[in-house]
Amino acid sequence: NAGVTQTPKFQVLKTGQSMTLQCAQDMNHEYMSWYRQDPGMGLRLIHYSVGAGITDQGEVPNGYNVSRSTTEDFPLRLLSAAPSQTSVYFCASRSQMPPGNTIYFGEGSWLTVV
Amino acid sequence: DAKTTQPTSMDCAEGRAANLPCNHSTISGNEYVYWYRQIHSQGPQYIIHGLKNNETNEMASLIITEDRKSSTLILPHATLRDTAVYYCIVRGYNYGQNFVFGPGTRLSVLP
Repeated sequence: NAGVTQTPKFQVLKTGQSMTLQCAQDMNHEYMSWYRQDPGMGLRLIHYSVGAGITDQGEVPNGYNVSRSTTEDFPLRLLSAAPSQTSVYFCASRSQMPPGNTIYFGEGSWLTVV
Repeated sequence: DAKTTQPTSMDCAEGRAANLPCNHSTISGNEYVYWYRQIHSQGPQYIIHGLKNNETNEMASLIITEDRKSSTLILPHATLRDTAVYYCIVRGYNYGQNFVFGPGTRLSVLP
């Protein structure tokens, strides 16, 4: 079971560069999301999607773009990287089956912006 | 979504039960209590969830008070591998509602 797969695992960017963090899930989950986690902090929601073609902003969306063209993939784009975006990024997915649908996380992508 | 309050950190001796409290005094009738944990810097892992009844699975037990304003996650025989940050999350029934992670409780299991 692959579950939720994120790439790359580690990345160093220079300020102003752009890049895309990839996320794919093989569980046919409708819902996918991106979180970031800064040192010693909890996870903060960046963007989420409740299905293909539908995305919405979370708590900290500025500086990030997402799209959802397929059920399986939910890439996160950093448009112009800033040192404040140095963080660990987690992609997650869950099914829409109620009532207590649990959320599954990828292993994380460590991003450093210098 | 209702807010939760957890202690910042706790210690537990290996082999003993770890009891992690969570206050959620503003929980509403259709909101579930979820527990997740994050070991080192891995992605958070689901532990257990419940609505009003106590729940048990192979990992843990969840005790929810009758008024639902607080709950306790119990790891019956803590091991060193249970050292992690534990998140208590309250979330409604609706599919579109997100999981909101607070700072959690850092549990250290000591040998």
